[in-house]
Amino acid sequence: QKEVEQNSGPLSVPEGAIASLNCTYSDRVSQSFFWYRQYSGKSPELIMSIYSNGDKEDGRFTAQLNKASQYVSLLIRDSQPSDSATYLCVIGYGGSQGNLIFGKGTKLSVKP
Amino acid sequence: GAVVSQHPSWVICKSGTSVKIECRSLDFQATTMFWYRQFPKQSLMLMATSNEGSKATYEQGVEKDKFLINHASLTLSTLTVTSAHPEDSSFYICSAYGLADNTGELFFGEGSRLTVL
Repeated sequence: QKEVEQNSGPLSVPEGAIASLNCTYSDRVSQSFFWYRQYSGKSPELIMSIYSNGDKEDGRFTAQLNKASQYVSLLIRDSQPSDSATYLCVIGYGGSQGNLIFGKGTKLSVKP
Repeated sequence: GAVVSQHPSWVICKSGTSVKIECRSLDFQATTMFWYRQFPKQSLMLMATSNEGSKATYEQGVEKDKFLINHASLTLSTLTVTSAHPEDSSFYICSAYGLADNTGELFFGEGSRLTVL
């Protein structure tokens, strides 16, 4: 059974620090990897998507994918209190039918 | 970017009535749509996956006769909560998966907050 594992947290970091969020998955045929941010009472919003091994940077966010080790991570540099949210890892298994597996999310708290 | 519209954003109903929530992909064709439920301070819980033109696949513990899902077109899926009860009060969110530039993307609706009196 395909699984996506995330530490539920809460992960607490001081303002300005680097927050590191990790996600592991069980199936080697995974093709698409997404990180979503969800504020309390709101819908998730896409932060990053990554499809090939290596790093992908967008502003303060960097997604890292290592297919051999079956993990994907999200780094948030210069963390701000506004980054406090739950971060969802979603793995796609390709195709047009949207075979997606959801992690349960990691709660991040950035302390001023 | 692609947008998923969900309606209504909030609804209050009496116990025993049915409530329909719509989820539309506005500028792309969604081959798959997902429905979630989220109780306060809890994780997003996947309820069901629906592919256009076929029956929805429900997650374990979700009653298919209570939560009716219809995905009649590539841009619209509906969730009907039948005979709603106070314990069904929750935040319901849909998401739509479509192909953009040959890669899949998942977009979430804004959510619908249901309160059953």
